[in-house]
Amino acid sequence: RKEVEQDPGPFNVPEGATVAFNCTYSNSASQSFFWYRQDCRKEPKLLMSVYSSGNEDGRFTAQLNRASQYISLLIRDSKLSDSATYLCVVNAREAGFQKLVFGTGTRLLVSP
Amino acid sequence: NAGVTQTPKFRILKIGQSMTLQCAQDMNHNYMYWYRQDPGMGLKLIYYSVGAGITDKGEVPNGYNVSRSTTEDFPLRLELAAPSQTSVYFCASSPGQGRFKKLFFGSGTQLSVL
Repeated sequence: RKEVEQDPGPFNVPEGATVAFNCTYSNSASQSFFWYRQDCRKEPKLLMSVYSSGNEDGRFTAQLNRASQYISLLIRDSKLSDSATYLCVVNAREAGFQKLVFGTGTRLLVSP
Repeated sequence: NAGVTQTPKFRILKIGQSMTLQCAQDMNHNYMYWYRQDPGMGLKLIYYSVGAGITDKGEVPNGYNVSRSTTEDFPLRLELAAPSQTSVYFCASSPGQGRFKKLFFGSGTQLSVL
């Protein structure tokens, strides 16, 4: 099983739609969770951290389900500018170092 | 504030050639990282550094070397380029890892080995 798994998509949605992505992780000891956004041929940028109680940042809502080991990202009122690849990122401790494990990403295409 | 600066942006190498990918950050971050991203794959950690003079291997270190003589610079060296090293390389830095801190990425280097 991959350490972090995501549906690669693409998810094709019209402007204004609500779309949700899930991500599963294998390491039950993971403590930190993030969503990064990556535009085509660009560097990843932090979208939001994911907290145990769930958190919201404008149109974006992140949820964590520790029991089932999955993280979700909900985007409301999709904009054309939301078109990008969304990377699920989970920490894992290895030999005393907290490494980040990146998922392969879920591609979102928002159309007019 | 430049953040993380990577050079070059693009490079084509012949098999067996060597090159150094440069990375510099001006945020006084202790932690620096090199990742590679292959098409359709997640970022894989090549090497990382927790401070000047301290480096360690990540998941995919074979064929690469690093050094960290200053806090600002973290170059990645490819000694004998192979086609398997064709990838996009990202350098990143973070202020710490105790409570895991945000990664700041450079704009990437697209490397082709032919």
